[in-house]
Amino acid sequence: GNSVTQMEGPVTLSEEAFLTINCTYTATGYPSLFWYVQYPGEGLQLLLKATKADDKGSNKGFEATYRKETTSFHLEKGSVQVSDSAVYFCARTSGNTPLVFGKGTRLSVIA
Amino acid sequence: GAGVSQSPRYKVAKRGQDVALRCDPISGHVSLFWYQQALGQGPEFLTYFQNEAQLDKSGLPSDRFFAERPEGSVSTLKIQRTQQEDSAVYLCASSSTRTSGTHEQYFGPGTRLTVT
Repeated sequence: GNSVTQMEGPVTLSEEAFLTINCTYTATGYPSLFWYVQYPGEGLQLLLKATKADDKGSNKGFEATYRKETTSFHLEKGSVQVSDSAVYFCARTSGNTPLVFGKGTRLSVIA
Repeated sequence: GAGVSQSPRYKVAKRGQDVALRCDPISGHVSLFWYQQALGQGPEFLTYFQNEAQLDKSGLPSDRFFAERPEGSVSTLKIQRTQQEDSAVYLCASSSTRTSGTHEQYFGPGTRLTVT
């Protein structure tokens, strides 16, 4: 079936460290891929997206590249800040199907 | 502009009570989605509306769950005879496109339901 698997947290990093949160997906066809972020006390927000193979989504210093050959969409940031502390969700959808989310990865950045 | 709003933000219900959760989507958004997010999990799809038509309700966990969007804007998710396993955050999202494909869904803050 269609599913999304992302690395379990929590992830704790020092400020300015490099971040990678792994995400892989299973799907028939060619899904669109998303990273959503949930800051404390707030609703889910779209962070970035990619709609076809080799696309790179980027926003606020975060990047993720749609890798069809490895069915992956890993989230990266070169230098995290305390304000990046949040829960990050990888998600996918194909055509008219609803979003399928991973379980989420909690990131804590320490000053 | 105004985003997706949900009310109430928190709801405590005794087991067996009925509850109604409201979602006000972004004005003019055609598509509306309900998701259920259990503690420590990602959101899971419940149901989808295109205008007033409920096109997909495959995610509703039981016949105690019912959703409507009679005028194609505000939506209500109703849970009858609540059970403890219904405790979760219920998220509403809306989208400006007619499909749930490649376009962004805008999420509300959610309603946290606790069944005691």
